Order: sequence, then C-alpha cells, then structure tokens
Amino acid sequence: QTVVTQEPPFSVSPGGTVTLTCGLNSGSVSTSHYPSWYQQMPGQAPRTLIHSTNTRSPGVPDRFSGSILGNKAALTITGAQADDESDYYCMLYMTGGISLFGGGTKLTVL
Amino acid sequence: EVQLVESGGGLIQPGGSLRLSCAASGFTVSGNYMSWVRQAPGQGLEWVSIIYDTGYTYYADSAKGRFTISRDNSKNTLSLQMSSLRAEDTAVYYCARGVRVGSGDYFPYYFDSWGQGTLVTVSS
Repeated sequence: QTVVTQEPPFSVSPGGTVTLTCGLNSGSVSTSHYPSWYQQMPGQAPRTLIHSTNTRSPGVPDRFSGSILGNKAALTITGAQADDESDYYCMLYMTGGISLFGGGTKLTVL
Repeated sequence: EVQLVESGGGLIQPGGSLRLSCAASGFTVSGNYMSWVRQAPGQGLEWVSIIYDTGYTYYADSAKGRFTISRDNSKNTLSLQMSSLRAEDTAVYYCARGVRVGSGDYFPYYFDSWGQGTLVTVSS
C-alpha cells in the first residue's frame, strides 16, 4: 500500500526558514507526481499554495516555494510569519485518476 | 467568482445511505474535474473520488463499491451518493475543483478551489 509521508509537528522561529517534505514509503517523488501543497487553518477549508511542484497559486506570497529535494517534494517557507502557523498537506498524483494526500505537518511559529 | 457550497451532511446510522451535494457557481462542473475530499475529526485530508470533464470517475479504495460520484449539468451541481456507511466514514466532506495539468494521455491535477465542507456523522 502506497503511503505519502510528511514530517511530524515542526516549529520555526519568526523570520526563519523551514522546509517541509513529502515522500513515499516506497519509491521517490518526482515532478511526474505533480506535487501540490495545501495550507489549512483550524476550522477552515484548505487553501492551495503550490501546484505542479513549484507553481504558486494566485495570491500566495513568494515566501512560499516548492521544489524536489532528493527523493521528496518540498515546501519551503522563507521568512516565516506568525500567520503561517497552520497544517500543511501535500498531495501527489499517482496514476489512473488517483491522488493521495500526506498525513500533514503541523507547523508552529514561535 | 468561483464558489462551492456543500450540503446534505448529517447524522446517519451505520449501514445507512446519504447523498451529498455541491452547488457550483462561477464556472461549469461539466467542463472541469470535480472531486470529494474528506477529513475525519482531528485527522488529515483524504482523497475520496473524482469525476473528470469526460465523465470518467475514480475512487479511493475506501469508497469503491459504496460511493458514487456524479454531476447534474443542468443544476451545475456535484453529488456523492454514499451507502453502507460505517463509523469510519465520519468526516467533513469537502467539494473541490480540480485543474488538469500535464498533457497527452497523462491526467494529473491539483485542486484550486474548495467548499467549506459538510459534516457527516455515522453513529447509532
């Protein structure tokens, strides 16, 4: 069974840089998975941040960036702000119409 | 402006059936990929099902055989018919619009718009 893996809860200092990753329990993540990233504040619907590995959605600040690092997809926040404190989810397109979400990473800014 | 509004959630007994709806505005469901994503209480997001603009449908293993995704082009709505419901189906169900990326015979997508969700509680 394919599982998309993300880090356990993470913290970053205000103004700092943090990289969250998204991997597979078996195999590597590549651009062919078209990784996308979503931010979800408590009690709210998800918000789309990044798609197709590194394309920011409209209105998303440029402190958010996406990439492939080694065998994982990565979301980097450069100059973290207090309102970046949230849950972050990656999604990978697998094949045959199926996509999988990672378990999410809770980011604390303190 | 793109808007998605889910409805139809509620309390249902195990083994029961429920139909969720998602009213879309600002675009046509028939011309887009449309999906259902759910989130159990305190848990992460789970991809459930998608219907392509072509009408092809796909399901997560947890939904296969029990859930049916469909759309009503005349009403511009997306639906999810759920049957044989189990306690583990308890979740907020989000409707999302998918945007195809890639080309050729490869049909990856991402979600660019989300509804606010509707809560389904399966309990006796």
